[in-house]
Amino acid sequence: SQTIHQWPATLVQPVGSPLSLECTVEGTSNPNLYWYRQAAGRGLQLLFYSVGIGQISSEVPQNLSASRPQDRQFILSSKKLLLSDSGFYLCAWSVQAFGEAFFGQGTRLTVV
Amino acid sequence: DAKTTQPPSMDCAEGRAANLPCNHSTISGNEYVYWYRQIHSQGPQYIIHGLKNNETNEMASLIITEDRKSSTLILPHATLRDTAVYYCIVRVAHTAGNKLTFGGGTRVLVKP
Repeated sequence: SQTIHQWPATLVQPVGSPLSLECTVEGTSNPNLYWYRQAAGRGLQLLFYSVGIGQISSEVPQNLSASRPQDRQFILSSKKLLLSDSGFYLCAWSVQAFGEAFFGQGTRLTVV
Repeated sequence: DAKTTQPPSMDCAEGRAANLPCNHSTISGNEYVYWYRQIHSQGPQYIIHGLKNNETNEMASLIITEDRKSSTLILPHATLRDTAVYYCIVRVAHTAGNKLTFGGGTRVLVKP
């Protein structure tokens, strides 16, 4: 069966520090991968999605970047965190071309 | 992808059916209707999807109007654990760039 791993679950980082969040998927090949952010009390905002290794589409201009070095690995990064980067970050995957997406448990990031 | 309109919140009684409406008046012929829910502090969970016909699974039923401009998600016997934000999404399923864009959703509170 397919599983998605996302870590860490919680993270507190100072302003200006770097960020690296990792997401890996098991049990499937060539998935679509997504990074979402949810600010407190708000809806889900799509940040990045990827249809294959090295293929990243950015949905909104921001202080973050994403990379997909391997088929089932998706990394969210920042060189210097801002206070506004705080939020709940979710990784998700789906089978190519279908709409059922499966989400990880999320990382709650607090930038202080 | 077509936009959707959902009521921001609704209450329902435990043990009763919960009917969650969604308007998607600009839906096109090849767009599917998907429903997800997000329980507090967790990643969204896929519930059901459909194109034209009504669909049912172990979690819920999806009723799509004949003109496909609106749909209703039915939770047949709501429990306290069904308290969550429910998202209705309309998108083309069989495309490579499989973006999933979430709107505001309906915050459902199941009361004893």
